[in-house]
Amino acid sequence: GNSVTQMEGPVTLSEEAFLTINCTYTATGYPSLFWYVQYPGEGLQLLLKATKADDKGSNKGFEATYRKETTSFHLEKGSVQVSDSAVYFCALSEPSGFGNEKLTFGTGTRLTIIP
Amino acid sequence: DTEVTQTPKHLVMGMTNKKSLKCEQHMGHRAMYWYKQKAKKPPELMFVYSYEKLSINESVPSRFSPECPNSSLLNLHLHALQPEDSALYLCASSQGLAGGYETQYFGPGTRLLVL
Repeated sequence: GNSVTQMEGPVTLSEEAFLTINCTYTATGYPSLFWYVQYPGEGLQLLLKATKADDKGSNKGFEATYRKETTSFHLEKGSVQVSDSAVYFCALSEPSGFGNEKLTFGTGTRLTIIP
Repeated sequence: DTEVTQTPKHLVMGMTNKKSLKCEQHMGHRAMYWYKQKAKKPPELMFVYSYEKLSINESVPSRFSPECPNSSLLNLHLHALQPEDSALYLCASSQGLAGGYETQYFGPGTRLLVL
């Protein structure tokens, strides 16, 4: 079956530091890959996505590249801000053929940025 | 616009009460999802509706009863819940295109407390 492994948190960084959150996956086919962010007390927001190998998703200064050879989708940001403090979920889905796809989530990584 | 709305934001109910959670989207999406999220955990899929028909039920107890009255609305009827059902309930939607690479968009959630 499908699975997603994320680096264990919590992660604490100083403002303007470089961020990497590792994500690797196992899938039987050709999944789409996602990063979702959850701010305290809120729902999940789509941060970025990639649908095929070598695609790079990017949004709000965050980037992740779909690496099929290493089955990875690591999240990076060059200079984090206090407002980036949140829980980050890596996820994958595979086309079901019926238009209703299951998302497989990683366990989430809590990120705290200190001024 | 990628907005999914959910009401109420917060709900407190006793174990003998009957209540309903509501979810609405106006993106023309034909797949809608209910997830349950416990603290510090990723969301767990409960139900999927595809073209207003229940297509996935992840062995959820019968005290949770989903309903999809039309393509824009999704309800979750609650009856005789247990304290362990206290959680954040998230609704999501996606286009619902067969064979497509779907992206799920989440609402802000309803935080449920069962006393």
